[in-house]
Amino acid sequence: GAGVSQSPSNKVTEKGKDVELRCDPISGHTALYWYRQSLGQGLEFLIYFQGNSAPDKSGLPSDRFSAERTGGSVSTLTIQRTQQEDSAVYLCASSHSGTDTQYFGPGTRLTVL
Amino acid sequence: KQEVTQIPAALSVPEGENLVLNCSFTDSAIYNLQWFRQDPGKGLTSLLLIQSSQREQTSGRLNASLDKSSGRSTLYIAASQPGDSATYLCAVRYNQGGKLIFGQGTELSVKP
Repeated sequence: GAGVSQSPSNKVTEKGKDVELRCDPISGHTALYWYRQSLGQGLEFLIYFQGNSAPDKSGLPSDRFSAERTGGSVSTLTIQRTQQEDSAVYLCASSHSGTDTQYFGPGTRLTVL
Repeated sequence: KQEVTQIPAALSVPEGENLVLNCSFTDSAIYNLQWFRQDPGKGLTSLLLIQSSQREQTSGRLNASLDKSSGRSTLYIAASQPGDSATYLCAVRYNQGGKLIFGQGTELSVKP
């Protein structure tokens, strides 16, 4: 079946602009995660959705970052007033539950000029 | 602080060699541990997941072991091939909350 998909694959934006990144998880997966991968920091957890529970937002680096998951499926990560340090690859993953194997999408490479 | 460390950061071996990648974690109260590979410019591919109650998992030429008491996991790759060249990442989950804490990865190069 189809894996996790993300769009766009690449995004170049100017400092101060808002961006939206999209994730389509594997059908039937109740858990969805966002991570960020940057050269200096490795892979960092951002936010986690599990079913109808309140999301775990403990990894969001600032209040410029937010995410939502509509209808328990598609998720959108929004970064407001982008800064150059936001440049990174943003990875989405999904799993059957909060404890199972996580399957990753190909990522969105964000470049903030 | 819960940290995951991978050693070495990079490894180069000739084709056919057996090799071991190491992962250590500071807090032994893990829920499970997952090994991934990442090819350049790509996402992560899950290789093996070991639950905290398990000692090892095998898939083809890959074998992952877990020693919670010492805070270590190893990924053993048998008869390495050039196609195994990638970055290998170890990630630990500490509770049912789901988030993974990643090591920095080991970049493996297998020379033909």
